[in-house]
Amino acid sequence: DIVMTQSPDSLAVSLGERATINCKSSQSVLNSSNRKNSVAWYQQRPGQPPKLLIYWASTRESGVPDRFSGSGSATDFTLTISSLQAEDVAVYYCQQYYSSPYTFGQGTKLEIK
Amino acid sequence: EVHLVESGGGLVQPGGSLRLSCAASGFAFSSYWMHWVRQAPGKGLVWVSHINTVGSTTTYADSVKGRFTISRDNAQNTLYVEMNSLRAEDTAVYYCVREGVTMDYWGQGTLVTVSS
Repeated sequence: DIVMTQSPDSLAVSLGERATINCKSSQSVLNSSNRKNSVAWYQQRPGQPPKLLIYWASTRESGVPDRFSGSGSATDFTLTISSLQAEDVAVYYCQQYYSSPYTFGQGTKLEIK
Repeated sequence: EVHLVESGGGLVQPGGSLRLSCAASGFAFSSYWMHWVRQAPGKGLVWVSHINTVGSTTTYADSVKGRFTISRDNAQNTLYVEMNSLRAEDTAVYYCVREGVTMDYWGQGTLVTVSS
């Protein structure tokens, strides 16, 4: 199984500041057919189901604010929130969909400082 | 608008069975692979199972293999999971999820509690 490891486990950032969450996969998740990395990022607000933010490591889902961006390659990936808003308080998960079982990172809890 | 509505959760004793349903609307259900993902209270997300568009291919997490069975009824736009030999560690909110490029739409979830 591919293990996805996020860092940090929790993060406190001031409003308007940048938040960065990292995710490392235990092996390559590069899709050979399109040369894209099979990594997604989800946001889960308290009491809500997860919401897809980013797929193919860097493609923003429709309707997601452009302050959210994804980057990375090989086995290291990053979710960046460029200017933190109050509504961004949530737990964020990375996920690989390269191969079954489709594993998630353990989650990063983002709070306001 | 895509809607996924899970039902069938509840309290069940260890060793018992439960069948969850997910009613889908707002999209061509028969054209999408579907998943079940679960989340134990206060814990992270764990993929459980998925099924292809016609129900001929199914895959399971090792933790539920042999105990859970995923299925679908495309005429009724409904996804199911039959859960047998339930254990305390199966206690979780179970989400029904559509697969676009990846898991793009999630239901609100249904809580399954396994306890005596």
